[in-house]
Amino acid sequence: NAGVTQTPKFQVLKTGQSMTLQCAQDMNHNSMYWYRQDPGMGLRLIYYSASEGTTDKGEVPNGYNVSRLNKREFSLRLESAAPSQTSVYFCASSERPGGVAEAFFGQGTRLTVV
Amino acid sequence: RKEVEQDPGPFNVPEGATVAFNCTYSNSASQSFFWYRQDCRKEPKLLMSVYSSGNEDGRFTAQLNRASQYISLLIRDSKLSDSATYLCVVNPPGGYNKLIFGAGTRLAVHP
Repeated sequence: NAGVTQTPKFQVLKTGQSMTLQCAQDMNHNSMYWYRQDPGMGLRLIYYSASEGTTDKGEVPNGYNVSRLNKREFSLRLESAAPSQTSVYFCASSERPGGVAEAFFGQGTRLTVV
Repeated sequence: RKEVEQDPGPFNVPEGATVAFNCTYSNSASQSFFWYRQDCRKEPKLLMSVYSSGNEDGRFTAQLNRASQYISLLIRDSKLSDSATYLCVVNPPGGYNKLIFGAGTRLAVHP
């Protein structure tokens, strides 16, 4: 069972470079999320997509853009990377919006911006 | 004030001990509550949901106190394999299954 797959797992960027983090889920979930995790901060929601065709800002959206390409895929783009975006990024999905549902996470992308 | 607050720990306990974590949340209208477990450098995984009546899963017991706006996790007979960070998670009102995570409580179980 693949579940939620994120690529890449590791990335080093120079300040000002751009990149896209890819996420795909094979559980037919409607809702997908991007979080970042920093030491002592817990997971903070960057963007989420309640269903295909919709995206909304989370707690820390500045510097990021997202695309819900289809029901399976939800990508996160850094247009001009900054050292403050050094973090571990997790993609997650859950069955449906508005209900009690377990979130499944990908293995994370460890991003370093130098 | 953070939406979800946890004591970061670490809690260092011997094998076989009983340990309890608390978590407070700020939005009294929050609907759903969970405990997730995160091993070092791994993704979070659901440990258990927290129901109004409290619930138990083996050595783990979760309780919800809506009046005081906190949830708790009790681990009995701790095992070395319980060493991890435990994340308190709250689903605030507004739908979309948006989950708000606490920063986590680290547990270290030693022989």
